[in-house]
Amino acid sequence: KQEVTQIPAALSVPEGENLVLNCSFTDSAIYNLQWFRQDPGKGLTSLLLIQSSQREQTSGRLNASLDKSSGRSTLYIAASQPGDSATYLCAVNGVTGGGNKLTFGTGTQLKVEL
Amino acid sequence: EAGVAQSPRYKIIEKRQSVAFWCNPISGHATLYWYQQILGQGPKLLIQFQNNGVVDDSQLPKDRFSAERLKGVDSTLKIQPAKLEDSAVYLCASSFGGSFYEQYFGPGTRLTVT
Repeated sequence: KQEVTQIPAALSVPEGENLVLNCSFTDSAIYNLQWFRQDPGKGLTSLLLIQSSQREQTSGRLNASLDKSSGRSTLYIAASQPGDSATYLCAVNGVTGGGNKLTFGTGTQLKVEL
Repeated sequence: EAGVAQSPRYKIIEKRQSVAFWCNPISGHATLYWYQQILGQGPKLLIQFQNNGVVDDSQLPKDRFSAERLKGVDSTLKIQPAKLEDSAVYLCASSFGGSFYEQYFGPGTRLTVT
């Protein structure tokens, strides 16, 4: 059974700091990995998708890496801004009985302060 | 491009009552997912549809939950009768295909069972 762990559970940083969010998973047989952002009371916004054959993906100030063999992914946020404050969820897309599903971590709650 | 639509956004019911949620996926997306997100946890897959067929419903509590996707477009998730522990956010997601495609999420329906 796939298990996804995110560290740290919460993080508070001053504006402008570069930061790293960590995600680890137990089963390396995955199709891909997605990083999401969730604002309070809102749905999930997809940030980056990394296929299992890829090592990293970049979008603006965000960079995500994937090391499938060691079961790890990191999300790097450069020059953090107060608008980045949200919960960040890592989700691993793996095989189910008949299809595929995302297995989520419990998230890292980020607060960027002025 | 319109995103995944869900309604209602909020629902409060008493235990043992029934409730239904509606989801309209992104146009052209063949795969539709229903997830349950309990406060403080990551979303958990309940059911996956490919067009109008069920691919995986192994984590759907079938004694009280049911879902359908008539005509392979929008979908309805029903709970009957509801229990206190069903209080959660119910998220609908869609993707163009199955395993290798990005999942896009709707805003969710927040259910409170009293």
